[in-house]
Amino acid sequence: EPEVTQTPSHQVTQMGQEVILRCVPISNHLYFYWYRQILGQKVEFLVSFYNNEISEKSEIFDDQFSVERPDGSNFTLKIRSTKLEDSAMYFCASSGGRGAINEQFFGPGTRLTVL
Amino acid sequence: GQQLNQSPQSMFIQEGEDVSMNCTSSSIFNTWLWYKQDPGEGPVLLIALYKAGELTSNGRLTAQFGITRKDSFLNISASIPSDVGIYFCAGQLTDNTDKLIFGTGTRLQVFP
Repeated sequence: EPEVTQTPSHQVTQMGQEVILRCVPISNHLYFYWYRQILGQKVEFLVSFYNNEISEKSEIFDDQFSVERPDGSNFTLKIRSTKLEDSAMYFCASSGGRGAINEQFFGPGTRLTVL
Repeated sequence: GQQLNQSPQSMFIQEGEDVSMNCTSSSIFNTWLWYKQDPGEGPVLLIALYKAGELTSNGRLTAQFGITRKDSFLNISASIPSDVGIYFCAGQLTDNTDKLIFGTGTRLQVFP
């Protein structure tokens, strides 16, 4: 069964460093998302991406964050200068449609620890 | 912002029992999804609901989209140990947004 994959599974970084989290969405999906989950809390939307551009973003997704689809398979989230409060699980998701047909399938996540 | 409140917050049940949990909001949602999350893993989609009043089953799971479009429930029948995890509802407010708003989660513990 096709699935979303993410690498690395765990990333440890120093405050102020840049990190890139990588995702391979399900191959025939067109809509891509990043969510994050701070330990013990609910999942929060960061950004959605379609047709090579951001379609929606939350207030969490500030200038320190960017997303890119560098080739036909990868979808990346970059945090330019990490802060302690960026420590969280980051989930990539993809879906085949939007609006009324929006079953989003999630990857296993990348645990980001900022020291 | 919009809130999805789930209840109960946690449940401790005996294997074989039925489980019911729900999700409510003051906002009207277009779509309701139910996910299960195991520790350290990503949410796994269980059931998707698209119409008010819709009742959908997936094996031992049954979910309904409330008629007011402000709530949804998930039932699990004849629980087994692997049902342990956190169950999240997630909703989409309109057709013009892809954003899923997640609920606060219900933690389920099943004892043999």
